[in-house]
Formats: sequence, C-alpha cells, structure tokens
Amino acid sequence: QVQLVQSGAEVKKPGSSVKVSCKASGATFSSYAISWVRQAPGQGLEWMGRVIPTSGSTNYAHSVQGRITMTADESTSTAYMELSSLRSEDTAVYYCTRVVNFYYYIDVWGEGTTVTVSS
Amino acid sequence: DIQMTQSPSTLSASVGDRVSITCRASQNVGNWLAWYQQKPGNAPKLLIYKASTLESGVPSRFSGSGSGTEFTLTISSLQPDDFATYYCQQYSTYSPWPFGQGTKVEIK
Repeated sequence: QVQLVQSGAEVKKPGSSVKVSCKASGATFSSYAISWVRQAPGQGLEWMGRVIPTSGSTNYAHSVQGRITMTADESTSTAYMELSSLRSEDTAVYYCTRVVNFYYYIDVWGEGTTVTVSS
Repeated sequence: DIQMTQSPSTLSASVGDRVSITCRASQNVGNWLAWYQQKPGNAPKLLIYKASTLESGVPSRFSGSGSGTEFTLTISSLQPDDFATYYCQQYSTYSPWPFGQGTKVEIK
C-alpha cells in the first residue's frame, strides 16, 4: 500500500520561501508523476503543477508560474515543492499526490502540509 | 485553458436519496475526468476515473457518466458516510488540470 508522507507544518513570513517534501513509501516513482494541489482555508482544490521524477519534466499552473519549483529524487523516492515570494494568499494546506501514467488521474494523496504565511 | 464548473454548489439530501452532481467543461475533454470525495480535515479520495470507472474499493452506489463537456456523478442511495464535498477534475491536456469548485452534500 503506497503512502505519501509529507513534511510538517510551516509558518513563514511574507516574502520568504517554503520547501515541502513528500516521501513515497511502499512504491517507487516509476510510471508516476507527482502533482501538488493546495487548498486555502474554506476553499476548493487548486492544482499547482506536476513533476515527472524519471525525467524532471515539469508543468506549472499560471497562478504560481515563476514562483514555484517542483523537483524529485528517484533515489530516495522523495518529491519537493518550493514556493517563493510568499504572500498571505499562499496560506493553505498543500497536498502531494501521485499521478497515474504521468498524465492521468490522481490515485493517491498525501496527508497535507499546512503552510501559514503571516507577519 | 479549460474551465470546470460544478452544479449545484450545495446539495441538501436525506439518507436513501438518489443524488446527482453535474460537472461541465468549457472544452471537450473526452472521457478524461475524475471525481474525488473530501471529508472535513481529510485529504481527498479518488472515487471515479475515466468518467465512469469506479476506483477499487469504492461502493457501487457511486457511478459516473458523461463525455465531452458534461459529466454526472450519481449516488444511488445516499448513506451517512457520503456527506462530504465532491470535486471533478479534467486531465485531457498536459497542463493545467483544473478542479471544479466543489459540491457540498449536506444532511437535509
């Protein structure tokens, strides 16, 4: 049973950066992509982008393009999402997810990492 | 970019009711659509993919239909465990992959 285990909650100042990790246990990254989805308090789900661990190829949502970097380390089955120039609107729960066949649906979700941006 | 619109935003129903949620895409997405269920404080969970394929372990009272631009998630007989928020998501393009805004199913 594959699990995605994310790093702990973060509190950041506006203008700073945050890096969230996501380690897959019970499976490797082969044939999967990792996408990141966030959910602001009381709001819906926002797709942020995807990284294909075997190639490093990425696609990012327009809303975070230029501020976001997604990477993955196959050797440790760990993916990372770094978001810079943080604003209060970036306060959210950030989920890492596993994408079937690189470009299909999300079949596994991490437990979520709460990122709070506050001065 | 493709936009996804769900209706209704909120649905009030009773245990045993048959309920349906609609998801509309601004462009043809074929049958590349998934449905997820989210309960408060929890991560979403995959229910249906490829518009109508039930994920393993999901109760058969859930079903999905549609193709192109209009899709439906149906719960044939609502159970207490089904009160949650439901999201659709298209994956027909490489990027982006927007979700619908969500439909909250409440107890009537």
